Amino acid sequence: EDQVTQSPEALRLQEGESSSLNCSYTVSGLRGLFWYRQDPGKGPEFLFTLYSAGEEKEKERLKATLTKKESFLHITAPKPEDSATYLCAVHLSGGYNKLIFGAGTRLAVHP
Amino acid sequence: EADIYQTPRYLVIGTGKKITLECSQTMGHDKMYWYQQDPGMELHLIHYSYGVNSTEKGDLSSESTVSRIRTEHFPLTLESARPSHTSQYLCASSVGTEAFFGQGTRLTVV
Repeated sequence: EDQVTQSPEALRLQEGESSSLNCSYTVSGLRGLFWYRQDPGKGPEFLFTLYSAGEEKEKERLKATLTKKESFLHITAPKPEDSATYLCAVHLSGGYNKLIFGAGTRLAVHP
Repeated sequence: EADIYQTPRYLVIGTGKKITLECSQTMGHDKMYWYQQDPGMELHLIHYSYGVNSTEKGDLSSESTVSRIRTEHFPLTLESARPSHTSQYLCASSVGTEAFFGQGTRLTVV
């Protein structure tokens, strides 16, 4: 069964304290892996797409990496405005544009 | 910035009422989706469309129905709302593999 698991469920950081969020996946065929940011009461906002193992993408304090079994979202020197839920989704090969989402990691960055 | 809009943002309605959640996008995307998300939980696909007059059910069984008469418009209808339908409903459209989401409709059925 295709599955996406994110850890930890919740993470509390002090401002400037770097850390990583994990997304592990077990799928039949991967076309791509996506990271989204979701603020309370809003829809997910697209951050990155990764297509192959070894690929890395960066945007401001965020850096996403991909291996054959998992992806990491590294947050360097986070700020309070980085507080949000970070969602990982995998795009399966075959069929329609099917995205399977993980439950997300709720990140809280305190000053 | 993605141009996909959902209305209403919040809706509280009584059991048995018929409701339609609106979703519109101005990007000309052929593919559109409806997801359901409970607090702290994953998004689950309930409907998708590849284009005009194309609609399919997603992975999560839903009593809602959808229509796609125009490319830009993908409304979701519940004929008779029940408390079990209380959830957040997110609409998305995509080009290639990148999906853009609306702000969502938080539905509460009392």
